[in-house]
Order: sequence, then structure tokens, then C-alpha cells
Amino acid sequence: AQSVTQLDSQVPVFEEAPVELRCNYSSSVSVYLFWYVQYPNQGLQLLLKYLSGSTLVESINGFEAEFNKSQTSFHLRKPSVHISDTAEYFCAVTPISGGYNKLIFGAGTRLAVHP
Amino acid sequence: EAGVAQSPRYKIIEKRQSVAFWCNPISGHATLYWYQQILGQGPKLLIQFQNNGVVDDSQLPKDRFSAERLKGVDSTLKIQPAKLEDSAVYLCASSTDSQETQYFGPGTRLLVL
Repeated sequence: AQSVTQLDSQVPVFEEAPVELRCNYSSSVSVYLFWYVQYPNQGLQLLLKYLSGSTLVESINGFEAEFNKSQTSFHLRKPSVHISDTAEYFCAVTPISGGYNKLIFGAGTRLAVHP
Repeated sequence: EAGVAQSPRYKIIEKRQSVAFWCNPISGHATLYWYQQILGQGPKLLIQFQNNGVVDDSQLPKDRFSAERLKGVDSTLKIQPAKLEDSAVYLCASSTDSQETQYFGPGTRLLVL
């Protein structure tokens, strides 16, 4: 079985400051990793994903995440946040089984960017 | 390209009543998912369809929840009878097949009083 732990339920930060949202997972098999973002009153949107290859993956809006297999982590970072980044961020994994794609989500981290 | 559509967006019912949610996935997406997101928690998969067949309903409370996807396109999720603990956001997602990125709808927020 798999589980995902997001260590911070809320992260307040000032605009233009750096931010890191932490994610750790537990799994007996290899996994794919994802970060989804949920803006107020909207559905979840895929932010970035790690499937294979380079352990550092980037999104189009400046976020990046690094897969660390030894620490079973997939932390999300941004060097300078904007007000528009205020949202809830979910880390998720899916086991690489060749079968059906079942996403297991963490509880989410609410990022609040203040002016 | 239109996204995943869900209706209604909000629903308030009393316990022991029944309720149904509707989802229209992105055109051409063979795989459809229903998730339950309780306040303060991440989404939890309830049921997954591949075309009109169920491939995973292990976390669906089958004594009160049911779902169908009769023609392999849109889907309905029903709760009968509802309990207080069913208050949550019900999210529908779809993907081209089971190994591809899931696209989520805006969700239906259910409050059971």
C-alpha cells in the first residue's frame, strides 16, 4: 500500500519570497509522483509530474520539484512566489504496476501569499 | 477543448435522503474516476471506470453508494441514504486511458444536515 504525507497543512509567505512545500511518501513498489494545485472554487490541475529520467522537474509557472528516492520525498519549491500562487497544493503518487492508474493523495498544503 | 463537467455544483440535503451527481468527461477519454474529498483531507478514489466497466471500486461504500457509466461516456454517482459523514466535495476526473494524466472537474459540494 502507498501513503503520502504533506508535512505542513498551511504555509504563509510574503510575495516574492521563496517557498518549499514538503511531501514524503511510503510505498513498497516504485511510484510515479505528482503535484496538483487547486485554486479557490476550481478543480484540481496537474502542476508537474515525475515519471522517469531527471529527478528535477519543472512547471510552466516557475515551480519545480525534486524526486529523492533515498529520502522518499518530492518537495515542491518556487524561488519567488506571487499573490496568484495562493491555492491548495496536493502531492500524489501512483504505483508503477502496469495496471490501472490509482492516485493516492496527501492531505494538502494551503499556500497563502501575502503582499 | 471542453473540460470535465459536473453538476450540480452545490447540494444540501437532510440525512437519509438520496442524491445524485452527474459527470461528463472530456470527449474521447476512456477512463473516468469519482473521488471523495472530505474537508481537510486529500481526494480519495471511490470508483474507476474503463469505458463502461468498473476496474476499481474497492473504497466505494456499496451499501449506500452506487455509480454507473452506461454508454461509456457520462456517469452518475448516487448516495442513498445519505449520512452526515458523506458531507464532502465529490470530484470527477477523466483520462485518455488508465496510465495517462487525470483531468478534474470543479466538483460537487455536498452538505448533509
